[in-house]
Amino acid sequence: AQTVTQSQPEMSVQEAETVTLSCTYDTSESDYYLFWYKQPPSRQMILVIRQEAYKQQNATENRFSVNFQKAAKSFSLKISDSQLGDAAMYFCAYKKTSGSRLTFGEGTQLTVNP
Amino acid sequence: AAGVIQSPRHLIKEKRETATLKCYPIPRHDTVYWYQQGPGQDPQFLISFYEKMQSDKGSIPDRFSAQQFSDYHSELNMSSLELGDSALYFCASSLKAAPSYGYTFGSGTRLTVV
Repeated sequence: AQTVTQSQPEMSVQEAETVTLSCTYDTSESDYYLFWYKQPPSRQMILVIRQEAYKQQNATENRFSVNFQKAAKSFSLKISDSQLGDAAMYFCAYKKTSGSRLTFGEGTQLTVNP
Repeated sequence: AAGVIQSPRHLIKEKRETATLKCYPIPRHDTVYWYQQGPGQDPQFLISFYEKMQSDKGSIPDRFSAQQFSDYHSELNMSSLELGDSALYFCASSLKAAPSYGYTFGSGTRLTVV
């Protein structure tokens, strides 16, 4: 079974600075998809960024980028120029290409300090 | 753009009662998923449907059942409710032909069992 691990239960960053959230996963598949979801206090699950395992290029969405290391099974999220609105729980998630379910990590609670 | 609609937003039930949660996926999405998120926990996969047929099953209790109807909306039926069923229940939808796009989540139904 696939597992996703987020080793940082909590992280904090100063406004306008950069923070990196860590995620590792375990799978025997060669093709799969990885995602970062954000869950603010409203509890809505919002897709932040996605990465296809067959793509070597790291995904980027505005201030959000990932460092995907396939051999190391690592998928970290970098948030640049952090904003107060970035404060939320961040979940790393894995999805098999042929499967359907998303498997989530335990989450990292990000605090942004003004 | 249309999103995933869940109803009700909040539900309070007594122990041993029955609850029905509804989910209306994004138009043209063919797959619906149900997740349960307990307080301070990551979402746990319950069950999914593709084209009105059950496609995957996770940690869904036998007291729960679900189905997807001809109009693609889905219902999660929960019977003999227990205090431990209190959680946020998410529905999500996706298009199977576009696995890299992840899921779109609804706002969730917060179930409180008293």
